[in-house]
Amino acid sequence: GAVVSQHPSRVICKSGTSVKIECRSLDFQATTMFWYRQFPKQSLMLMATSNEGSKATYEQGVEKDKFLINHASLTLSTLTVTSAHPEDSSFYICKGRDVRSDTEAFFGQGTRLTVV
Amino acid sequence: GQNIDQPTEMTATEGAIVQINCTYQTSGFNGLFWYQQHAGEAPTFLSYNVLDGLEEKGRFSSFLSRSKGYSYLLLKELQMKDSASYLCAVRAPSGNTPLVFGKGTRLSVIA
Repeated sequence: GAVVSQHPSRVICKSGTSVKIECRSLDFQATTMFWYRQFPKQSLMLMATSNEGSKATYEQGVEKDKFLINHASLTLSTLTVTSAHPEDSSFYICKGRDVRSDTEAFFGQGTRLTVV
Repeated sequence: GQNIDQPTEMTATEGAIVQINCTYQTSGFNGLFWYQQHAGEAPTFLSYNVLDGLEEKGRFSSFLSRSKGYSYLLLKELQMKDSASYLCAVRAPSGNTPLVFGKGTRLSVIA
């Protein structure tokens, strides 16, 4: 249980365009969604924490106007990379949690973003 | 502060046993996770310990000592496919606090 489905798994976009990444909780309700980024051969880096129905909390150094997070329902959270640039190319991964039942969900499958 | 230490790299031989250690110093504790991450893929769940002792699951076992702030992941009968990064992560008591991850241990299994 506690599965998160993340789409797309891979995306290539042009510089200046926006990309939306979706994470859906399949068999639980995600009160909280954590968004991570990982560059090649580096550690996971937490970007932001979002709670259903409220604004996301961003980690230091992460631009909230560039990485838009929406968590409008208990089963869907989205991350939109706006005006993408090549340096945004990375592996983006989400992870859900249901605080009410203390359920720690699995990671989503990850999205490999390449900006050309 | 939050600090999780694990070795950066380890190498072991196919068929052998390897132990990956993790020590932690965190403000609060509500369980410790181990994840496996193959290159280019998302981490996958291996184990969760919240009480002291050893949890065995097939070829993988995980141990926790809360008083020592210490855990290890034991992999038996190593296979080439076990070559991956292994991440130790600590969960805080607070509901919305994210897991604190170690930097991961890159394990190479050689023939």
